[in-house]
Amino acid sequence: ETGVTQSPTHLIKTRGQQVTLRCSSQSGHNTVSWYQQALGQGPQFIFQYYREEENGRGNFPPRFSGLQFPNYSSELNVNALELDDSALYLCASSLGQGTANEKLFFGSGTQLSVL
Amino acid sequence: AQKITQTQPGMFVQEKEAVTLDCTYDTSDPSYGLFWYKQPSSGEMIFLIYQGSYDQQNATEGRYSLNFQKARKSANLVISASQLGDSAMYFCAMREGKAGYSTLTFGKGTMLLVSP
Repeated sequence: ETGVTQSPTHLIKTRGQQVTLRCSSQSGHNTVSWYQQALGQGPQFIFQYYREEENGRGNFPPRFSGLQFPNYSSELNVNALELDDSALYLCASSLGQGTANEKLFFGSGTQLSVL
Repeated sequence: AQKITQTQPGMFVQEKEAVTLDCTYDTSDPSYGLFWYKQPSSGEMIFLIYQGSYDQQNATEGRYSLNFQKARKSANLVISASQLGDSAMYFCAMREGKAGYSTLTFGKGTMLLVSP
């Protein structure tokens, strides 16, 4: 079974630039969630895609946007980067059953540094 | 108010000993799920154990067990017979009941260090 893979693993950008992070879901999973993990904090929910549609969003501004493709892979786009966007970005996939015990399977993340 | 509180920033334990990592939660939703994840230095979040709000028994998964006290809103993780490979960050997380919506709310985590 193929796990969740993210690319790139590390990225350095400057303020004001735009960035695209990529995620391949675990085989058979139709739901992808993105989380931002600042240093010393727990992950915070950005948004979730289910069968190519955004079906949930956390408290993040519109400059954080995403896409999910027919093969259920996903992109996270961040425009007008700010210093506070420096964080580990985690992608998680799941079966999309909508049950309380549904597990999220995470990738190893993309470490974004904004200078 | 924080929904998930982990009050121990760091814990030390000797190999082969048991350790308890604390987690308290806050929700008014009668249907919720509680999760524990392990995050080694590689960054990946690894699922350890799940407890549902309606589950009558405490969850167990190998060396991991969850001490679920619903009235106190606590869901502590117990790791028995600690191993050096258990050294990592541990996060408690909660999902509140919303069909088709898989978001988790995480605590700030506890760093566990296992010494020989």
